[in-house]
Amino acid sequence: DTAVSQTPKYLVTQMGNDKSIKCEQNLGHDTMYWYKQDSKKFLKIMFSYNNKELIINETVPNRFSPKSPDKAHLNLHINSLELGDSAVYFCASSRLGRENTEAFFGQGTRLTVV
Amino acid sequence: GNSVTQMEGPVTLSEEAFLTINCTYTATGYPSLFWYVQYPGEGLQLLLKATKADDKGSNKGFEATYRKETTSFHLEKGSVQVSDSAVYFCALKNAGKSTFGDGTTLTVKP
Repeated sequence: DTAVSQTPKYLVTQMGNDKSIKCEQNLGHDTMYWYKQDSKKFLKIMFSYNNKELIINETVPNRFSPKSPDKAHLNLHINSLELGDSAVYFCASSRLGRENTEAFFGQGTRLTVV
Repeated sequence: GNSVTQMEGPVTLSEEAFLTINCTYTATGYPSLFWYVQYPGEGLQLLLKATKADDKGSNKGFEATYRKETTSFHLEKGSVQVSDSAVYFCALKNAGKSTFGDGTTLTVKP
């Protein structure tokens, strides 16, 4: 059983298109995240949700819109894709309010904008 | 604010060599500290963690000790294997917010 699963694993699309990445966790966690990893492997948090409510929204263009239909799902929708959006996007989850709990990551979605 | 600084890579070692990847942090209060590992084509996974000063986390032959006096959490392994080739991330969690270092790429050659 995959704890945090995201789809698709690979996504190749043209500039200007709109695309979505889906994420689901079956760990019963209350907190979910989206991270962006660039070609140098730097990891940057984009969004954090606690129980379907947005908690962290780092400096991310408003073309990126997260949607959490329930606490087990956090999807990422991207409008008007640009070349610079090419990266690997990771979904993650953790327990709420527990300082010593680690994050569980999905396998990543490699987005290539051409 | 919180920050994590880890040794720049890439690091290349021969099999059975000793590994150290340095990590220092800045945080208020009492953060928990983590090392994550990312194997090629995969997501990050927890390698080890420590939740208070002087705690030692260990897993798969890797160790790190939470040193509050030096604000450090260096990762060590006595004898690396080719299968340890991966990107290693030091991270802290403080007041519910995680901060990651920039990652260190390790390549182990046979």
